[in-house]
Amino acid sequence: EDKVVQSPLSLVVHEGDTVTLNCSYEVTNFRSLLWYKQEKKAPTFLFMLTSSGIEKKSGRLSSILDKKELFSILNITATQTGDSAVYLCAATQGGSEKLVFGKGTKLTVNP
Amino acid sequence: GAVVSQHPSRVICKSGTSVKIECRSLDFQATTMFWYRQFPKQSLMLMATSNEGSKATYEQGVEKDKFLINHASLTLSTLTVTSAHPEDSSFYICSAREASPGTDTQYFGPGTRLTVL
Repeated sequence: EDKVVQSPLSLVVHEGDTVTLNCSYEVTNFRSLLWYKQEKKAPTFLFMLTSSGIEKKSGRLSSILDKKELFSILNITATQTGDSAVYLCAATQGGSEKLVFGKGTKLTVNP
Repeated sequence: GAVVSQHPSRVICKSGTSVKIECRSLDFQATTMFWYRQFPKQSLMLMATSNEGSKATYEQGVEKDKFLINHASLTLSTLTVTSAHPEDSSFYICSAREASPGTDTQYFGPGTRLTVL
C-alpha cells in the first residue's frame, strides 16, 4: 500500500528556533514530492521536488529530497509565530493524478 | 499566479437540501481538478478526480449520486452535495492542476465549510 509518513506529528518551538520536518514515502512509481502549508484554510503550495540532492529554497524555508532513502525534509530557520501551521507532505506517482498525503506535522511557534 | 477560488466559503443549510460548490482556476487552465474533504484535525481525503469534459472518477466509498461533480470547462468544476445530511458537514476543498506536461503541483482553493443542520 502506498504511504507517506510524516514526523513528528506535532512540534512546539520558540521564535528564532530552527526546525526540521521529516517526510518518508513508500510509493510505487514515485514521481515527485510536494510540501504544503495549511493554516486555517486550504493548503498553500511550498515546494515540488523531483530530483535527489537539489535543495529548493524560499526565504527561511528550504527542502531537499533523497530518492535513495525515500525521504524528504523541510527546514525552517529563524522561525516566527506566523510559521505556525500544519505542514503537509504529498507524493505523486507516474500513471496517477492523485496525491498521496501524509498526516501532517503541526508546528506551533511560541513568541 | 496559480490561484484557485472556491465559492461559497461557508454555507449553512437544512437537512435534505442540495448545495453547490464552485471551484475556479483564475489564471491558468486546469484539465484536472480534485475534490477533497477534510475533517477536523485530519488530513485531506480525496473524494474524486474530475477531468474536463468527462465523468469524474470517484474514490472508493464516495457515493457518486450524492456528490455530483461537473467539470464543464478548463477553469470550472462544481461539486453538488445532494440531499445533504448533518454527517455531510465538513470542510470541502478543491484543487486544480495546470494543463502542462510534467506539472504535478496541485493548487488548492480556500475551501468551503459546509454545515448541515
